[in-house]
Amino acid sequence: GQNIDQPTEMTATEGAIVQINCTYQTSGFNGLFWYQQHAGEAPTFLSYNVLDGLEEKGRFSSFLSRSKGYSYLLLKELQMKDSASYLCAVSPWDNKLIFGAGTRLAVHP
Amino acid sequence: NAGVTQTPKFQVLKTGQSMTLQCAQDMNHEYMSWYRQDPGMGLRLIHYSVGAGITDQGEVPNGYNVSRSTTEDFPLRLLSAAPSQTSVYFCASSSSLEKLFFGSGTQLSVL
Repeated sequence: GQNIDQPTEMTATEGAIVQINCTYQTSGFNGLFWYQQHAGEAPTFLSYNVLDGLEEKGRFSSFLSRSKGYSYLLLKELQMKDSASYLCAVSPWDNKLIFGAGTRLAVHP
Repeated sequence: NAGVTQTPKFQVLKTGQSMTLQCAQDMNHEYMSWYRQDPGMGLRLIHYSVGAGITDQGEVPNGYNVSRSTTEDFPLRLLSAAPSQTSVYFCASSSSLEKLFFGSGTQLSVL
């Protein structure tokens, strides 16, 4: 089967750094994705990792270790608008994307 | 550029009724999919399509039918609605699996 785990909720302070972890066990691996979803809205794509290492994109970075089945999303210089759910998703084989339950991040002043 | 358009945004059904959720994209994407999102369970894949005339089942296909007669459209049909199908439904499309574009969602309640 497929299993993706991430924390249910996190809180952080505006201007700080937060790391959201994701562990996965899947029957195959074609890539790991992070999506952002504000309350009541559709998910939007943040990042994609298929090789081990860190991918940096502005204030957001995503890390992948395939041998450990582990990824994290790093958000720097947090802003109030970063309050949202962050969804970790894995493609176990072509044309399928399996999502974790999401991490709800609350950013406080 | 409209992207992925889903209709309706809200729908209330009685148990046993049928309905079709519409999804259309204008980006010429080959890949389209339907997800449902329930509290605490994340997005679960219902059905997907890799091109016109080709569909396949996802994680939770029971109770749902799809068809893909054109590249642009990928409707989701509920033949006999059940309360367990109360959920938020998202349609998504992409040119490759690397980046999905989601529609704005349909909130469905089955009484």
